[in-house]
Amino acid sequence: KQEVTQIPAALSVPEGENLVLNCSFTDSAIYNLQWFRQDPGKGLTSLLLIQSSQREQTSGRLNASLDKSSGRSTLYIAASQPGDSATYLCAVRDYGGSQGNLIFGKGTKLSVKP
Amino acid sequence: GAVVSQHPSWVICKSGTSVKIECRSLDFQATTMFWYRQFPKQSLMLMATSNEGSKATYEQGVEKDKFLINHASLTLSTLTVTSAHPEDSSFYICSAQTVRGSPQYFGPGTRLLVL
Repeated sequence: KQEVTQIPAALSVPEGENLVLNCSFTDSAIYNLQWFRQDPGKGLTSLLLIQSSQREQTSGRLNASLDKSSGRSTLYIAASQPGDSATYLCAVRDYGGSQGNLIFGKGTKLSVKP
Repeated sequence: GAVVSQHPSWVICKSGTSVKIECRSLDFQATTMFWYRQFPKQSLMLMATSNEGSKATYEQGVEKDKFLINHASLTLSTLTVTSAHPEDSSFYICSAQTVRGSPQYFGPGTRLLVL
């Protein structure tokens, strides 16, 4: 059974710092991996989607890497801003079932202090 | 971009009543819709997957008679929590995708509080 773990559970940094969020998964047979942002009491915003054949994806100040063989992904945020404060969720889509469900980690709650 | 809406955004109800939550894909046709539940400080847990025009597939441990899902059109799925109890209080989020393997687009969520 696929399990997704995110470390750390919470992170507080001063504005301007570069930071890395970690995600690991137990079964490397994934279809793709996705990073989301969730603001308090809100739904999910997709940040980056990495297909299983890709190593990384970039969008603005965000860079996500994928090492499928070791079951790891990282989300790198450059020059963090207070507006980046949110919970970041990692999810993998595996081949299980008929739909290829998304399996989520518990998230990393990021706080960027001005 | 693809937009998914949910209605209502929050609801408070008495124990024993039924609550219906709607999930709509506004600018695309969703062959498949997913319903998730999220408890405080917990991950999103998939409850069920519904394909338009067919019965939903429920995850292990989710009571299909309690959480009724209807996906009658390519743009609308509904989740009805029947005879709600306080332990059903949670944040319910739907997502929609066009075809298998395509990105899932998430709704803004519905917060349910059962008194």
